[in-house]
Amino acid sequence: GAGVSQSPSNKVTEKGKDVELRCDPISGHTALYWYRQSLGQGLEFLIYFQGNSAPDKSGLPSDRFSAERTGGSVSTLTIQRTQQEDSAVYLCASSPSTVTNYGYTFGSGTRLTVV
Amino acid sequence: DAKTTQPNSMESNEEEPVHLPCNHSTISGTDYIHWYRQLPSQGPEYVIHGLTSNVNNRMASLAIAEDRKSSTLILHRATLRDAAVYYCILRDVYNFNKFYFGSGTKLNVKP
Repeated sequence: GAGVSQSPSNKVTEKGKDVELRCDPISGHTALYWYRQSLGQGLEFLIYFQGNSAPDKSGLPSDRFSAERTGGSVSTLTIQRTQQEDSAVYLCASSPSTVTNYGYTFGSGTRLTVV
Repeated sequence: DAKTTQPNSMESNEEEPVHLPCNHSTISGTDYIHWYRQLPSQGPEYVIHGLTSNVNNRMASLAIAEDRKSSTLILHRATLRDAAVYYCILRDVYNFNKFYFGSGTKLNVKP
């Protein structure tokens, strides 16, 4: 597709359940990022993938959060044993390269609500 | 993390120019200044970026102070579709793997 695609667009889950959020970056983009945005707040960095390098996980808030990127393309963010404070919009972005100063292209996000 | 300071909100009239300020007094020589905007219920959208010289593109202009401690995003003729939260972000050219987004400026455009 022409843009970054995220699915599902909305997810309601019960506290304690696991959820998986998917991101399809723009084809050919080597860098992929996950951010989350709580209501009325700025964006919080979670994790970053660049090609085959080890991901930068420095923003993951707890060990309940993990992410994979298979084949250098699609990424999945997994939240285990969800808590109410995990409720937020989870945004994925991709970039052609990090060796230049290209900007990001963001998806529209997945709105996660933990009840 | 290099920090930016922006007003929480601004208001503009449609068809008038808008100047959105950003202070970044701790900017380093290798930091680029990026601007993104986020429309309601959408992910952020790249607007413009620069290093030292003023920059123009189809969306906006970026004016950078001579000492680089502040910058201004200029929308030449605001439209209702420009109502969004505007983020000013510094990105180190040697550590460009992630952006740090602050709270941004919420721009309201009045008809």
